[in-house]
Amino acid sequence: EAAVTQSPRSKVAVTGGKVTLSCHQTNNHDYMYWYRQDTGHGLRLIHYSYVADSTEKGDIPDGYKASRPSQENFSLILELASLSQTAVYFCASSDWLGGLSYEQYFGPGTRLTVL
Amino acid sequence: QQQVRQSPQSLTVWEGETAILNCSYEDSTFDYFPWYHQFPGESPALLIAIRPVSNKKEDGRFTIFFNKREKKFSLHIADSQPGDSATYFCAARRGSNAKLTFGKGTKLSVKS
Repeated sequence: EAAVTQSPRSKVAVTGGKVTLSCHQTNNHDYMYWYRQDTGHGLRLIHYSYVADSTEKGDIPDGYKASRPSQENFSLILELASLSQTAVYFCASSDWLGGLSYEQYFGPGTRLTVL
Repeated sequence: QQQVRQSPQSLTVWEGETAILNCSYEDSTFDYFPWYHQFPGESPALLIAIRPVSNKKEDGRFTIFFNKREKKFSLHIADSQPGDSATYFCAARRGSNAKLTFGKGTKLSVKS
């Protein structure tokens, strides 16, 4: 079964500070994703990546950067954290076979509170 | 623009009843429709999925009904159990694009 880990599991940040959320997967999946979850909004895609050293914008990329230094690792960076970025952040990964991406496996989530 | 709409926002059923969760979509190029569930304090996980080559997909007590003409699909949970209480998200994906577009979720409560 796919293993996706995230660190930290929770974080309190100050407004205007820099925050880096990390994700690591151990199943050799091509695709990795960052989502945020807010009550009433479901899961919204921030950034995703299909290969190391390349990232793509998702549906709500403003205020976020992403980095994929290796196939296993994918980071989400908030250069200037704002109150509105308080949320739970999930990382996910999926395989890519023959042009069809498969099930997305989610990490445990990071609860970010910006004060 | 919300491409996948989900209803109801919350649903309460009694143990043994069939829970029906609904989704609709706008983009006719969507061709893969999964349902994820999320238990409190946990991360989402795939429950069941369908491709529109068929209009029904079953897995135990869980069934997806798909209506391509009306751009709607639904999840039926038969013989609902208290352990089914969770938030259920429908989603859709377009062709070779790996992005999933999620609905906002339905919180299901099953009372005994």
